[in-house]
Amino acid sequence: EVQLVESGGGLVKPGGSLRLSCAASGFTFTNAWMNWVRQAPGKGLEWVGRIEGKADGGTADYAAPVKGRFTISRDDSKKTVFLQMNSLKTEDTAVYYCTTIITGRTWVDYWGQGTLVTVSS
Amino acid sequence: EIVLTQSPGTLSLSPGERATLSCRASQSVSGNYLAWYRQKPGQAPRLLIYYASSRATGIADRFSGSGSGTDFTLTISRLEPEDFAVYYCQQFGSSPWTFGQGTKVEIK
Repeated sequence: EVQLVESGGGLVKPGGSLRLSCAASGFTFTNAWMNWVRQAPGKGLEWVGRIEGKADGGTADYAAPVKGRFTISRDDSKKTVFLQMNSLKTEDTAVYYCTTIITGRTWVDYWGQGTLVTVSS
Repeated sequence: EIVLTQSPGTLSLSPGERATLSCRASQSVSGNYLAWYRQKPGQAPRLLIYYASSRATGIADRFSGSGSGTDFTLTISRLEPEDFAVYYCQQFGSSPWTFGQGTKVEIK
């Protein structure tokens, strides 16, 4: 069974930092592209960024609002992807989801339960 | 950055009716790398359609996607109770990937 379990959310002051983790199981993690998607309260989905699988180079890419402040990394030995968030702003308040798509004859997506990040003084 | 504009913002329909949702891109979506998601209240989204017209694993055949270039459509042939939700399109052909703002399908 595929599982993605996020952790690390919480309350942080503007300008602060937080690191989210997403522990994966049930699929071949090493080559999976892993994404972070966020959803502010009552708002739509916003793609935050992704990291490629090892076979594709492991490069990370980011949405404009977080570029230079957020960093995605992965530890394939622990089947975990991380989202390091620095210089947090109030507008970063959201539920953060870890997600992946398993491709093959057809595609299927998996999402974590989400972790709430609240940036407030 | 490709901006995706979904219309209408809200669609009011009855169970059994046909729903047609639109997603328009500000520039051509490379390789028709366009996906559709459904998000039920309080749940994470779920992938319905990828490559504009391919159904994801386990998705009912009442869902179909069409379109290419800058204009894409999601059609739900007969609305079931669980289809009253919010739908998002996403492009993953050009960096950065982007989502549309969503279309809410509500019970009339």
